[in-house]
Amino acid sequence: DAGITQSPRHKVTETGTPVTLRCHQTENHRYMYWYRQDPGHGLRLIHYSYGVKDTDKGEVSDGYSVSRSKTEDFLLTLESATSSQTSVYFCAISRGEAQYFGPGTRLTVL
Amino acid sequence: DQQVKQNSPSLSVQEGRISILNCDYTNSMFDYFLWYKKYPAEGPTFLISISSIKDKNEDGRFTVFLNKSAKHLSLHIVPSQPGDSAVYFCAASKNTGGFKTIFGAGTRLFVKA
Repeated sequence: DAGITQSPRHKVTETGTPVTLRCHQTENHRYMYWYRQDPGHGLRLIHYSYGVKDTDKGEVSDGYSVSRSKTEDFLLTLESATSSQTSVYFCAISRGEAQYFGPGTRLTVL
Repeated sequence: DQQVKQNSPSLSVQEGRISILNCDYTNSMFDYFLWYKKYPAEGPTFLISISSIKDKNEDGRFTVFLNKSAKHLSLHIVPSQPGDSAVYFCAASKNTGGFKTIFGAGTRLFVKA
């Protein structure tokens, strides 16, 4: 257990609305990641952070932004949600070469 | 372009027998290869990893084999148990400070009692 929580766990929203997902960790890990999981695609990296205020894009970053103002919190924002962003979102931290994941947020955009 | 491929979407195995999950990759620059297990409504959990300089790593019932010339890795589960029924993701990572990781699409394993 890497002490990772995600909130909310489920969210239904409408197209065009902003959405923020929160990831919180309790073990002071430097690296944090946001992934989305879709059928047939496995997990795809959206954005990652290598320290407070230090973030970079992953392979599917369009339409998403992130912020990390404290070590323990990594926020993922959908500025204007679209139906293609309906997915399950996972946050993760690194411990060596392995990543440890939170429980996920299921987001539905109608 | 998928850098990590799991060509079998599902696999069914009898309890007590061996489960073999396969994965192919295209990039020789990865430093580690990993397997994750995922139950429904939970996050993936790290199972086992292997360094790119090794060809085998074993942890209890789980063994990962790496064939660099074929760019292929496999996960062997012996003996398989019903609790092993889950989706297994193969992953490859490169040390870029943190580890950037590419995941395969997953293989769903069914272990029948």
